[in-house]
Amino acid sequence: AQSVTQLDSHVSVSEGTPVLLRCNYSSSYSPSLFWYVQHPNKGLQLLLKYTSAATLVKGINGFEAEFKKSETSFHLTKPSAHMSDAAEYFCVVSPLYSSASKIIFGSGTRLSIRP
Amino acid sequence: DAGVTQSPTHLIKTRGQQVTLRCSPKSGHDTVSWYQQALGQGPQFIFQYYEEEERQRGNFPDRFSGHQFPNYSSELNVNALLLGDSALYLCASSRGGVQGSYNEQFFGPGTRLTVL
Repeated sequence: AQSVTQLDSHVSVSEGTPVLLRCNYSSSYSPSLFWYVQHPNKGLQLLLKYTSAATLVKGINGFEAEFKKSETSFHLTKPSAHMSDAAEYFCVVSPLYSSASKIIFGSGTRLSIRP
Repeated sequence: DAGVTQSPTHLIKTRGQQVTLRCSPKSGHDTVSWYQQALGQGPQFIFQYYEEEERQRGNFPDRFSGHQFPNYSSELNVNALLLGDSALYLCASSRGGVQGSYNEQFFGPGTRLTVL
């Protein structure tokens, strides 16, 4: 069985400060892990993905995430927040070699950026 | 490249009615997946179409059905609408069907369905 938990439903940071969005997962298989971003009235966009290669994954727009098997975590970080980062972020888990039906989305974290 | 497009953008129906949502995949993609995203929740997988057949299905009742056309576009049909069907319906396209490792999905902007 698989599950994913996003530990914060809402995170607010000041522009220029670091961003941390937390995600814990549970999986019976070797997982693939993803972060997606959803801006209002736009589709989900893939930020980055982990598929058993390097544990530190770099994505688009300066985001990165580290896979920590011992902590079953895949937290998303960015050194310096920008106003355009305000959006909903989803952590996603899937078995490593699998298909859409086993993909589980977290409930999302809304990121707000203060000027 | 227009990316994944969905129509209509918004839709209002009443309980018991039927609705059809449409999706055109990204150029070069042959696989379409549908998701339901309730307010404040993450998307939930409904089903996936490849080669004009439903290949995988999530935990949704038979009231939810679909179709894929030879040009890879797809429709999602929902019969006997319930208030709980109110949600954002997302379409995602990818390449290569269900074989092998996860194939990156590209999402459309969604159709907002409101059931009164």
